[in-house]
Amino acid sequence: DGGITQSPKYLFRKEGQNVTLSCEQNLNHDAMYWYRQDPGQGLRLIYYSQIVNDFQKGDIAEGYSVSREKKESFPLTVTSAQKNPTAFYLCASGGNTEAFFGQGTRLTVV
Amino acid sequence: AQSVTQLDSQVPVFEEAPVELRCNYSSSVSVYLFWYVQYPNQGLQLLLKYLSGSTLVKGINGFEAEFNKSQTSFHLRKPSVHISDTAEYFCAVSPLGGAQKLVFGQGTRLTINP
Repeated sequence: DGGITQSPKYLFRKEGQNVTLSCEQNLNHDAMYWYRQDPGQGLRLIYYSQIVNDFQKGDIAEGYSVSREKKESFPLTVTSAQKNPTAFYLCASGGNTEAFFGQGTRLTVV
Repeated sequence: AQSVTQLDSQVPVFEEAPVELRCNYSSSVSVYLFWYVQYPNQGLQLLLKYLSGSTLVKGINGFEAEFNKSQTSFHLRKPSVHISDTAEYFCAVSPLGGAQKLVFGQGTRLTINP
C-alpha cells in the first residue's frame, strides 16, 4: 500500500530531551515536508527537502533539525532548544501539484 | 510570499443544509489552490484542487469549490451536509512550479448538528 507512515502516533518528552519523529514514504516522491499544527493556527512549515542530502528551513525551523539521507525517509528531531514543542506534527510528500500527508505524531512535553 | 485567510473559524449547520466555507488568498504570483479535510487526530486528506481550466472544481464527498481570480477567493461548498462531514477544513495555496510549499489557512471547524 502506497503512502506515508509516521511513527510513533503519540510521543511524550521530558523537558531538556531531544526526540526524533519518523517519517517514511513509498510514493517515490522527491520532495518531503514537516509541518507543525497548533489549535487555531493552521499548519506551519518547519523544514522541507526537495532532494536527498538537501533541505531548507521553513517558517519555524528554530529548535528543530532534519536529515535526508534516503529518498524514503525524512526524520525530524525536536531539540531541547524548542521552547514550546507540544503540538501535532505532520509529515508530507508531494509531486508538483499535490501533497500527501501522514497520520501525524502528537508530541507532549511532560 | 503567499498568505491564506479562512474567514470563519467555526461553522455550525444542521444536517442536510447547504454550507459554504470561505477562503481568500494573497499572492504576487500565480498559485495552485487546495482544500483539505482533517478528521480528529488524523492527517489531512485532499478534497479538491484547482490547477487550471474550469474555475468550478468538483471534489470528493460531494464538495465543490469555485476559483475567483478577481476576488482572490476559493470558497468551498456543499449543497447538503451529513453528520460525517463534521471535521476541520483547510484551504491552502502553492506557487506554480518549484517545491510544493503549501501555505495553509487557520482552518474552519465544521460542525453538523442533527
